[in-house]
Amino acid sequence: RKEVEQDPGPFNVPEGATVAFNCTYSNSASQSFFWYRQDCRKEPKLLMSVYSSGNEDGRFTAQLNRASQYISLLIRDSKLSDSATYLCVVNTGSYIPTFGRGTSLIVHP
Amino acid sequence: EPEVTQTPSHQVTQMGQEVILRCVPISNHLYFYWYRQILGQKVEFLVSFYNNEISEKSEIFDDQFSVERPDGSNFTLKIRSTKLEDSAMYFCASSELHNNEQFFGPGTRLTVL
Repeated sequence: RKEVEQDPGPFNVPEGATVAFNCTYSNSASQSFFWYRQDCRKEPKLLMSVYSSGNEDGRFTAQLNRASQYISLLIRDSKLSDSATYLCVVNTGSYIPTFGRGTSLIVHP
Repeated sequence: EPEVTQTPSHQVTQMGQEVILRCVPISNHLYFYWYRQILGQKVEFLVSFYNNEISEKSEIFDDQFSVERPDGSNFTLKIRSTKLEDSAMYFCASSELHNNEQFFGPGTRLTVL
């Protein structure tokens, strides 16, 4: 099983839609979790950290399920500018950040 | 807003040559990282650096690679003898605390011919 797995997509949604991505991880000792977005040929940009109790930042909600070893990202009221690749990052017990391959989101008018 | 900077933005080199990629992390950050991303593939961790020494490194980070913080601001990645398969985007990142949010530079695209 890969360390961090994401559905590559693409998820093709209309503006205003709600879309959710999941990311599973294999190392139960993983300590911290993040969502980044990456635009084509650009650097990853931090979107949000994922806390055990779940957290929200505007239209974005992140959740962690330690029992099932996955994190999720929910985007409400999608905008055209949300089109990007969303990267799940998990810091394993050895503090090596492991990236998923990313989930591609395309928001169309 | 403080940001991580990297130079050059694009480096072209011949196989077997040495390259040095440069990064200026955010000034109050204590942890520094290098990653690479081969075109179309995922971001891969290379090395983390704290207190003037390597704290973690991946299997990719073999003897051909080295890192250095030559002064109070720069953080460099050296590849001693480049191979074709070293062609990738190299990202530098920094964080205030260990195991914390990292902020990435814009990357250096390395092309080995």
